[in-house]
Amino acid sequence: ETGVTQTPRHLVMGMTNKKSLKCEQHLGHNAMYWYKQSAKKPLELMFVYSLEERVENNSVPSRFSPECPNSSHLFLHLHTLQPEDSALYLCASSGTGTGGNGYTFGSGTRLTVV
Amino acid sequence: QKEVEQNSGPLSVPEGAIASLNCTYSDRGSQSFFWYRQYSGKSPELIMSIYSNGDKEDGRFTAQLNKASQYVSLLIRDSQPSDSATYLCAVDTGGFKTIFGAGTRLFVKA
Repeated sequence: ETGVTQTPRHLVMGMTNKKSLKCEQHLGHNAMYWYKQSAKKPLELMFVYSLEERVENNSVPSRFSPECPNSSHLFLHLHTLQPEDSALYLCASSGTGTGGNGYTFGSGTRLTVV
Repeated sequence: QKEVEQNSGPLSVPEGAIASLNCTYSDRGSQSFFWYRQYSGKSPELIMSIYSNGDKEDGRFTAQLNKASQYVSLLIRDSQPSDSATYLCAVDTGGFKTIFGAGTRLFVKA
């Protein structure tokens, strides 16, 4: 596998469920990101990990919990979500650790909360 | 609050024409600027990056940067129907923060 891989591609969950999104990068990058993309809104930065340490948490509700066990893997744990959390969740990685060379995005997880 | 502004469009151009996409940003300290292309139902793909004032050309794409005016643009020459997508302007404001615009939808008519 190459690039940035996200699973699952689609997820439907109830408001009381717990689920996790997974991201894996095969690029040797040292920074990984979670972004939320809602219809007709700019991408919203959620979390940033550099060298496996969280360096940015953009006032995200606690029902979203990130985990970065190593520089190649990133998870987003979801629990007691709300319908307004339905969106495309994108994982990205960058090589410089600051995003200065641009991102490589995964294919995203389309999340629907019912 | 740091912002990146784009005209949402849609911008419609005939095949073979030049498409011009524009973006303004608020943080004067920004150093790195990017254009991403996002096809419907797909994730963003980096197509151009620019770091200094002036033009940068890559095939049919030219990125233009004017830091004094806080303005970035993307020109697509000889537009093709396959260029129809949403184009996202992104600005690296430092400290792991890249701010994205909401995107401009481009339609290239055959």
